Amino acid sequence: GAGVSQSPSNKVTEKGKDVELRCDPISGHTALYWYRQRLGQGLEFLIYFQGNSAPDKSGLPSDRFSAERTGESVSTLTIQRTQQEDSAVYLCASRLGRMNTEAFFGQGTRLTVV
Amino acid sequence: TQLLEQSPQFLSIQEGENLTVYCNSSSVFSSLQWYRQEPGEGPVLLVTVVTGGEVKKLKRLTFQFGDARKDSSLHITAAQPGDTGLYLCAGEAIGTASKLTFGTGTRLQVTL
Repeated sequence: GAGVSQSPSNKVTEKGKDVELRCDPISGHTALYWYRQRLGQGLEFLIYFQGNSAPDKSGLPSDRFSAERTGESVSTLTIQRTQQEDSAVYLCASRLGRMNTEAFFGQGTRLTVV
Repeated sequence: TQLLEQSPQFLSIQEGENLTVYCNSSSVFSSLQWYRQEPGEGPVLLVTVVTGGEVKKLKRLTFQFGDARKDSSLHITAAQPGDTGLYLCAGEAIGTASKLTFGTGTRLQVTL
């Protein structure tokens, strides 16, 4: 497709389970970002991939969170041993690898931990 | 601590009123962007401002980048119900190598 695609769109999981969220960026976009958005709030930076450089993981809230990206394509965000506080919308964005360019977002994955 | 603070956090106004949203930081940014997000969707870019002191207009929306490139404002003239949404500023602080950071958000509701 032409846009950023995220899956699943909704995920309900039990506390303590692991979850994997997927992001397919726009072809040719070397930069990929993951954000977390709690209800009615702004976007909390989690991790940033740029080409083959080491990712910027400075926003990951704990070692239960990890992310990978295969080359300049698909990325997965994994949350291990989920907690209720992990409930949020997880947004992925991609952009060209130049400063000041537009970030294109997927529709997000709504994660609910029960 | 949030790098980009927005104010107000929430704004409810009637159609036809004017409003201003502020985005402030203690850091210097190479550029600032404004996005609007509607329920169930990802944010969509409205504008990018790059030069200190720059003013850009998009129909009834006016965006300004502060002279020191630490702050920005969004002014909406004669608000309409279609302007309702979450407004987010975002930027790349100098020295952060294209790490795009978002503000705390301003939720705008425009009623008839």
